[in-house]
Amino acid sequence: GDSVTQMEGPVTLSEEAFLTINCTYTATGYPSLFWYVQYPGEGLQLLLKATKADDKGSNKGFEATYRKETTSFHLEKGSVQVSDSAVYFCALKWETSGSRLTFGEGTQLTVNP
Amino acid sequence: GAVVSQHPSWVICKSGTSVKIECRSLDFQATTMFWYRQFPKQSLMLMATSNEGSKATYEQGVEKDKFLINHASLTLSTLTVTSAHPEDSSFYICSARGWGSYNEQFFGPGTRLTVL
Repeated sequence: GDSVTQMEGPVTLSEEAFLTINCTYTATGYPSLFWYVQYPGEGLQLLLKATKADDKGSNKGFEATYRKETTSFHLEKGSVQVSDSAVYFCALKWETSGSRLTFGEGTQLTVNP
Repeated sequence: GAVVSQHPSWVICKSGTSVKIECRSLDFQATTMFWYRQFPKQSLMLMATSNEGSKATYEQGVEKDKFLINHASLTLSTLTVTSAHPEDSSFYICSARGWGSYNEQFFGPGTRLTVL
């Protein structure tokens, strides 16, 4: 079945460092791909998404490119801030599945000043 | 907009008792609500999908008699864990989806259940 694998956390960075959180997926075909973020005490929020190969999703300085060759959707940010500290979830969805999401394990990011 | 609340945020109960968790869409109508379970350092696992006014669809391996889901209105769904046991201790997260600009999943903050 479908699955999503994220790099293990936790990840700890200093402010203004470069961030990469790896995400790879296993699926037959080309699902839509998502990154969600969960700030402490809050619900998951959609951060960005890509619906087809080579699409780049971006939001709040974060980017991820849908790479079908490597079945990956790595999350990147050039300069992280303390306020980016959160748990990040990679997920996939089939548009015909009625919004059913398959999530990765989540990666805890802590950014220190 | 698109705020989803859960109540309670955490609950501790004795083994054998039942616990009800509420999920509300505060500023939109949710035609579909989803219930997830999350173990520490693990992924969110979909438990069931419920559409307003109809029976929930449970994922394989989820006991429908143990995890009762009711979606009686367009803004409220409840999950009742019946005869809870320590292995039911987990983090339960709901999400809601509506129409138009709300046609994606908006997540609640989760409920931490601890069964003693």
